Amino acid sequence: RKEVEQDPGPFNVPEGATVAFNCTYSNSASQSFFWYRQDCRKEPKLLMSVYSSGNEDGRFTAQLNRASQYISLLIRDSKLSDSATYLCVVNIDGGGGADGLTFGKGTHLIIQP
Amino acid sequence: NAGVTQTPKFQVLKTGQSMTLQCAQDMNHEYMSWYRQDPGMGLRLIHYSVGAGITDQGEVPNGYNVSRSTTEDFPLRLLSAAPSQTSVYFCASSYESLPGGGEQYFGPGTRLTVT
Repeated sequence: RKEVEQDPGPFNVPEGATVAFNCTYSNSASQSFFWYRQDCRKEPKLLMSVYSSGNEDGRFTAQLNRASQYISLLIRDSKLSDSATYLCVVNIDGGGGADGLTFGKGTHLIIQP
Repeated sequence: NAGVTQTPKFQVLKTGQSMTLQCAQDMNHEYMSWYRQDPGMGLRLIHYSVGAGITDQGEVPNGYNVSRSTTEDFPLRLLSAAPSQTSVYFCASSYESLPGGGEQYFGPGTRLTVT
């Protein structure tokens, strides 16, 4: 059974702090990984892909640990606008179709002033 | 580009009624899909299509039909609405050629309530 697990939170974090959360996946054959952001009552949007070597986009850093089967997202110098739900997405078969994707239930992040 | 559009934004149905949720994309994406999102359940795949004329079932297909007569449109039909189908429905599209599934582009969603 495909499974992607996330801590639902909420994570309450003061503005300017660094926050990190993980996502674990059960299928060792998983080939690609993504973080999506979903604002309240909005559609999910791609935040960043997660590469084997890790990758950084401004204040956001994503890491992949294949041995332990988890990915992580680190947000530095958090802003009020970072408040959202962050969805972990895992692609098992590497194709472009939705059938290979499994979405986590999301981690809810609240940045407090 | 308008991206992925969905209509209606909100809908209330009575049990047993049928309706069609519309989805269209103008990015010439081959892949399109329908998800439902329920509290505590995450996004679950209902049906998907890998190109015009080709559709397949996802994780939760019962009670729904789809067709894909053009690359642009992918309507979702509720055959006989039930309260269990109360949910937020998202349509999404993606490129076929990108490895790893590429980026899923989501529409703004349809909030459906079945009474």
